Amino acid sequence: RKEVEQDPGPFNVPEGATVAFNCTYSNSASQSFFWYRQDCRKEPKLLMSVYSSGNEDGRFTAQLNRASQYISLLIRDSKLSDSATYLCVVLPRSGSARQLTFGSGTQLTVLP
Amino acid sequence: DTAVSQTPKYLVTQMGNDKSIKCEQNLGHDTMYWYKQDSKKFLKIMFSYNNKELIINETVPNRFSPKSPDKAHLNLHINSLELGDSAVYFCASSQVYGTGNQPQHFGDGTRLSIL
Repeated sequence: RKEVEQDPGPFNVPEGATVAFNCTYSNSASQSFFWYRQDCRKEPKLLMSVYSSGNEDGRFTAQLNRASQYISLLIRDSKLSDSATYLCVVLPRSGSARQLTFGSGTQLTVLP
Repeated sequence: DTAVSQTPKYLVTQMGNDKSIKCEQNLGHDTMYWYKQDSKKFLKIMFSYNNKELIINETVPNRFSPKSPDKAHLNLHINSLELGDSAVYFCASSQVYGTGNQPQHFGDGTRLSIL
């Protein structure tokens, strides 16, 4: 089983739609969680951290469910500019060499 | 004033050659990384250096050798290039090693194509 799993998509949604992505992780000792965004042929960029209580940043809402070991990202009122690949990222709690583990990404295309 | 810069942006070369990719960050970060992103877009860490010391060395062929002359630079040298090395290589940096909420800043990537 992969450490971080995401539905690769693609998700094709019309402008204005609400879309949600899920991500599951296998290491129950994981400490920190993030969503990164990667545009086509560009570098990944941090979109938002994911906190235990859930957090919101404008049209984006991130949720964490530790019991079920999944993270979600909800995008409301989709814009054309939201088209990108969304990467779920996990950091373990401890270990001599903690490192970010990236999911393979979920591709989103927002259509006019 | 680019935060993490890597060169070259594109690298096209023949099998068997030796090549280097350079990375520099001007953010004052302690930790730098090399990632490989293959054709399936899976981003996988290769190496991590904290204050010039190797912290992470994933299962990477020993043809790949990172070098960190100072904490602002992390270069990647690849010997005897193979077809399977074709990928995008990203350099990244972060403020404090292992701290969960410190984001990693990525360079633009180096697109390596092996002929």
